[in-house]
Amino acid sequence: SQTIHQWPATLVQPVGSPLSLECTVEGTSNPNLYWYRQAAGRGLQLLFYSVGIGQISSEVPQNLSASRPQDRQFILSSKKLLLSDSGFYLCAWSYDTGRANVLTFGAGSRLTVL
Amino acid sequence: SQQGEEDPQALSIQEGENATMNCSYKTSINNLQWYRQNSGRGLVHLILIRSNEREKHSGRLRVTLDTSKKSSSLLITASRAADTASYFCATAAGRSNSGYALNFGKGTSLLVTP
Repeated sequence: SQTIHQWPATLVQPVGSPLSLECTVEGTSNPNLYWYRQAAGRGLQLLFYSVGIGQISSEVPQNLSASRPQDRQFILSSKKLLLSDSGFYLCAWSYDTGRANVLTFGAGSRLTVL
Repeated sequence: SQQGEEDPQALSIQEGENATMNCSYKTSINNLQWYRQNSGRGLVHLILIRSNEREKHSGRLRVTLDTSKKSSSLLITASRAADTASYFCATAAGRSNSGYALNFGKGTSLLVTP
């Protein structure tokens, strides 16, 4: 069966510090991978998606970047965090089944920037 | 960008009652999905309804879709305290090179009291 792991679960970082959130998927190959952010009391905002190794698309211009160094690994990074980067970050994967794209989410990473 | 908008934003009911949540969207869709999120956790897929379907059932869940009104509803019958969570509708961006990334609404926060 497929599983998705996301870490760290919680982190508190000072403004201006770097960030690295990691997401890995097991039990599948060539998944679509996604990073979403959820601000307090708000819906999910799509940040990045990847349909293959090295293929990253950004939905929203921001202080963050993403990389997919391996087929089942998706990393969210920042060189210098801003207060506005605080939020709940969710990684998700799916098969490219065309028009019935069901996402499976990780447990999330809660980031607080102070 | 957020495609779906749930209504109401918050709903409080007692155990045994039915809970109805609504979702409106703006553009044509291939399918519409509903997800559930327990506090501080990742989202879990509940049900998918295709654009050519009008109603779908899964256990205590009933989903309807009205493409002419661009709206959907999620009904949870005989609610339980364990149903307390946030519920989100999601629609696909509809581009194959996006991995059919989903756009989520802001969600309905459901509280079921014993």
